[in-house]
Amino acid sequence: EVQLVEAGGGMVQPGGSLRLSCTASGFTFSSYWMSWVRQTPGKGLEWVANIKQDGSETNYVDSVRDRFTISRDNAKNSLYLQMNSLRVEDTAEYYCARGIMGAPRGLEYWGQGTQVTVSS
Amino acid sequence: DIQLTQSPSFLSASVGDRVTITCRASQGISSYLAWYQQKPGKAPNLLIYAASTLQSGVPSRFSASKSGTEFTLTISSLQPEDFATYYCQQLNSYPHTFGQGTKLEIK
Repeated sequence: EVQLVEAGGGMVQPGGSLRLSCTASGFTFSSYWMSWVRQTPGKGLEWVANIKQDGSETNYVDSVRDRFTISRDNAKNSLYLQMNSLRVEDTAEYYCARGIMGAPRGLEYWGQGTQVTVSS
Repeated sequence: DIQLTQSPSFLSASVGDRVTITCRASQGISSYLAWYQQKPGKAPNLLIYAASTLQSGVPSRFSASKSGTEFTLTISSLQPEDFATYYCQQLNSYPHTFGQGTKLEIK
């Protein structure tokens, strides 16, 4: 059974940092693109970033570029999102998601999400 | 960035109805479009990828099509468990934007 379990969320002041993690099981982690997607309360979904199977390519939405870093450790079946210089508008539920086998064509499995709250 | 505009934003329908949700892209995205269903308090669930390919395990009452930059998701006969919010997502170019969502409610 495919499982994605996020951790690391919490409350932080503006300008602070958090590191989210996502531990994967039930599939060959190193074979899939992985993504982070966030959702603000009562609002829609926003794609944040993704990373290629071997970590050689990363992509970001402009609003987080240069502040957030996506990474992965295939030996640990883990995905990370280092979030620096956090802003109030980064407050959201953060999901990690696994792509469909091959090139990004959809997000097939999702974690349960971890809440990030940025507030003074 | 590619904008995806879903219509309608809200839809009220009854069990057994046939409903269609539209997602219009601001520019060409080939067939790199996915549809998701999200229920309150849950993560999204992939329904359709590559514009019209049904994800494994998704009931056949769900179907989707493409015409130019307009994509449609159709539910042929609504079931009680289908009342949820539906999102489209383009994966043609970065960032992989989502539509604003369509909330399907019981009439």
